Amino acid sequence: DAKTTQPTSMDCAEGRAANLPCNHSTISGNEYVYWYRQIHSQGPQYIIHGLKNNETNEMASLIITEDRKSSTLILPHATLRDTAVYYCIGSSSNTGKLIFGQGTTLQVKP
Amino acid sequence: GAGVSQSPSNKVTEKGKDVELRCDPISGHTALYWYRQSLGQGLEFLIYFQGNSAPDKSGLPSDRFSAERTGGSVSTLTIQRTQQEDSAVYLCASSLSYSLAGGVEQFFGPGTRLTVL
Repeated sequence: DAKTTQPTSMDCAEGRAANLPCNHSTISGNEYVYWYRQIHSQGPQYIIHGLKNNETNEMASLIITEDRKSSTLILPHATLRDTAVYYCIGSSSNTGKLIFGQGTTLQVKP
Repeated sequence: GAGVSQSPSNKVTEKGKDVELRCDPISGHTALYWYRQSLGQGLEFLIYFQGNSAPDKSGLPSDRFSAERTGGSVSTLTIQRTQQEDSAVYLCASSLSYSLAGGVEQFFGPGTRLTVL
């Protein structure tokens, strides 16, 4: 399973795009990159995942570099409710188990 | 539809007692995972079920921990002779059958907060 590295914390102004980086230089060819977030006192919430191509859904966009060694999660218009810990996870396990790191604490400020 | 549910939401127990934590996955989800989150620690994987079998128990911290799943649905995590270091939030997640081809989203329950006095 790929080890991921994320900044410990980030701030973002409300209404602006939040760009959360993740390094996963040890990722292998068949490993997906997953993003989850955890809002205080709640269970983690799935955001998005991708393999090679950039992905977009109603919550966010995921940009994966061509060499797949890093990715960026983009929340296009951050709101106060997006304040959470964001986890970038790479997993090639045959079981799908998620190996969480410490994540990035995103603070959206008014 | 209903999401993943867990019970109890909170459990306070005395050191040395046994506890049972329950997880009701989303109907139709064959994969079920248990994780725990200790204060100041990240989320750590405990055990994975595919149907009623547990092909990956690698995260269980000791033989005091066990889990079972019946009918391909409800799962119970049992901790025997609880210790203070077992205090944590225990989270359950379920998903459609996992496949490397495509990846799959896990849906998490709200967790059970266990406090061992």
